[in-house]
Amino acid sequence: DSGVTQTPKHLITATGQRVTLRCSPRSGDLSVYWYQQSLDQGLQFLIQYYNGEERAKGNILERFSAQQFPDLHSELNLSSLELGDSALYFCASSVESQVRETQYFGPGTRLLVL
Amino acid sequence: GESVGLHLPTLSVQEGDNSIINCAYSNSASDYFIWYKQESGKGPQFIIDIRSNMDKRQGQRVTVLLNKTVKHLSLQIAATQPGDSAVYFCAENIDSGGGADGLTFGKGTHLIIQP
Repeated sequence: DSGVTQTPKHLITATGQRVTLRCSPRSGDLSVYWYQQSLDQGLQFLIQYYNGEERAKGNILERFSAQQFPDLHSELNLSSLELGDSALYFCASSVESQVRETQYFGPGTRLLVL
Repeated sequence: GESVGLHLPTLSVQEGDNSIINCAYSNSASDYFIWYKQESGKGPQFIIDIRSNMDKRQGQRVTVLLNKTVKHLSLQIAATQPGDSAVYFCAENIDSGGGADGLTFGKGTHLIIQP
């Protein structure tokens, strides 16, 4: 158990809908990273937040957004969902903001868009 | 496109043998590499990392080798056990100065342990 929690574990929704994925980092970690894992694209970095502020952006679509709250939990919002958004979404956390720190991954949220 | 890739999608080894998982990267500016293990239904788990100023780093039963000349990274697992069955990913990062650009992952190698 990495200490990172993600909810829900599974999510099934329809095209055009909007969903919110939630992540609680390990106690004491200030940085949260979001990744998408799909069969064709593999694991891709989406976005990072550090202590409530956006720190780095990766391959995140404009339909996707994230935020980190004062209690350091983070949410990833996916809107206007398409079939191709079906994937595993992982959250990872680290103590500070330097990516060379070990990132601890949560168990993921499996999203299925029908 | 990806700058990190793996040579073999599946590797099958006998229990007790040593496993070697390979990774090629294309960006010579990459200066930090990590190996992750992902078991079925779980998130990636950190195994070991190495910085570009090193050629070799050892952990418990694992060794990572970095050959910057040919841009090649390998993970060696000694005395492979059934619990080592998983998908192994290499990941890289480039120091762009900001220090926080996320990781770029390879596609993964599925390690299968045969009894």
